[in-house]
Amino acid sequence: AQSVTQLDSQVPVFEEAPVELRCNYSSSVSVYLFWYVQYPNQGLQLLLKYLSGSTLVKGINGFEAEFNKSQTSFHLRKPSVHISDTAEYFCAVSDRGGYSTLTFGKGTMLLVSP
Amino acid sequence: GAVVSQHPSWVICKSGTSVKIECRSLDFQATTMFWYRQFPKQSLMLMATSNEGSKATYEQGVEKDKFLINHASLTLSTLTVTSAHPEDSSFYICSAKNRDTYNEQFFGPGTRLTVL
Repeated sequence: AQSVTQLDSQVPVFEEAPVELRCNYSSSVSVYLFWYVQYPNQGLQLLLKYLSGSTLVKGINGFEAEFNKSQTSFHLRKPSVHISDTAEYFCAVSDRGGYSTLTFGKGTMLLVSP
Repeated sequence: GAVVSQHPSWVICKSGTSVKIECRSLDFQATTMFWYRQFPKQSLMLMATSNEGSKATYEQGVEKDKFLINHASLTLSTLTVTSAHPEDSSFYICSAKNRDTYNEQFFGPGTRLTVL
């Protein structure tokens, strides 16, 4: 079984500032890692994913994340945020076999102010 | 590509009635579909995993007789909330997995169910 911990329930930042959303996971097997964004009353949109290879993963909208196996972390970063980045962000893991169900963290609300 | 739709996007019903929510993969064949439930300001909780042509696998604590799932084809899965009650009010989201894209799930836009 896997678990995901998103350490911050809410992260307020000013526009054009950098941001990091933290995610740690626990698993007894190798996993795939994902970051999703959810805008109000909408489904989830994939930002980026780590399957294998380079530990630095670049996604859409200028986001990137780094997989750190020793620290079991997959933190999401953006060097300069926009008002439009205000949304809920979910980190998720899945194992590499079977039906590969996703286990989600509780989410981090990113609030970008002008 | 990899678009998933849900219908309806929102529904209001009376207590005791049944509601059907459709989830469709528009441009790919979904061998597996997932149904999630999301309460306000909370994470997604997996309700069940649905494979085409076979019975759904429900997560612990989810009543299979209340939440009927049918995955009749490679592009359609339905969730029927039977005898709905106000506590069933929630945001229901489906996702679909493409056999060619490993573990990536593609999410629908969600259905807001309100039971009066």
